[in-house]
Amino acid sequence: TQLLEQSPQFLSIQEGENLTVYCNSSSVFSSLQWYRQEPGEGPVLLVTVVTGGEVKKLKRLTFQFGDARKDSSLHITAAQTGDTGLYLCAGDEFNAGGTSYGKLTFGQGTILTVHP
Amino acid sequence: DTEVTQTPKHLVMGMTNKKSLKCEQHMGHRAMYWYKQKAKKPPELMFVYSYEKLSINESVPSRFSPECPNSSLLNLHLHALQPEDSALYLCASSQDRVGYEQYFGPGTRLTVT
Repeated sequence: TQLLEQSPQFLSIQEGENLTVYCNSSSVFSSLQWYRQEPGEGPVLLVTVVTGGEVKKLKRLTFQFGDARKDSSLHITAAQTGDTGLYLCAGDEFNAGGTSYGKLTFGQGTILTVHP
Repeated sequence: DTEVTQTPKHLVMGMTNKKSLKCEQHMGHRAMYWYKQKAKKPPELMFVYSYEKLSINESVPSRFSPECPNSSLLNLHLHALQPEDSALYLCASSQDRVGYEQYFGPGTRLTVT
């Protein structure tokens, strides 16, 4: 399986600023999920994108899936202190035969800190 | 309801102890997973069960032994662990397509002394 390159690894911003997190790969994914995780807790599923070019919005969060289904982005508008956490992208990857490997490939994560 | 529960929340065990972690979901999901996670790193897949059968073992040492007694329950039996096994152990489930859209439990924080 291939890696999902997630960037930036760390992000420290002030409340009210906008930010974008990127998730890139050379592999095609049948779907891609974004999770947020707070310390000591399990990851919480934010969104699943499945169609190339798809854009989904969740309040101040906008998720986009690349046309070729190899990349995705998460944009947060007017960040709040409650957005602080570890953001993870994870993809359900196809093999050369066009079937799923049956497991998620995770990016390395983005640690977001929003200061008041 | 998208809840996956895990017990215990915290576990401290010695290297000679035997303990078990428990995971439960009542969403009718047919795929269940065990992950290990170190601080500020992504989860690392350990095992996947699909329709109560082990489908993926990511070359996990035999001191970790998974068990799926039924479609709602997943256990992880621990024996003779090492201090480097200390981590957050996460359970997850997904509806039927293995790998897709997983829902995670809160995790068990394991410390091996």
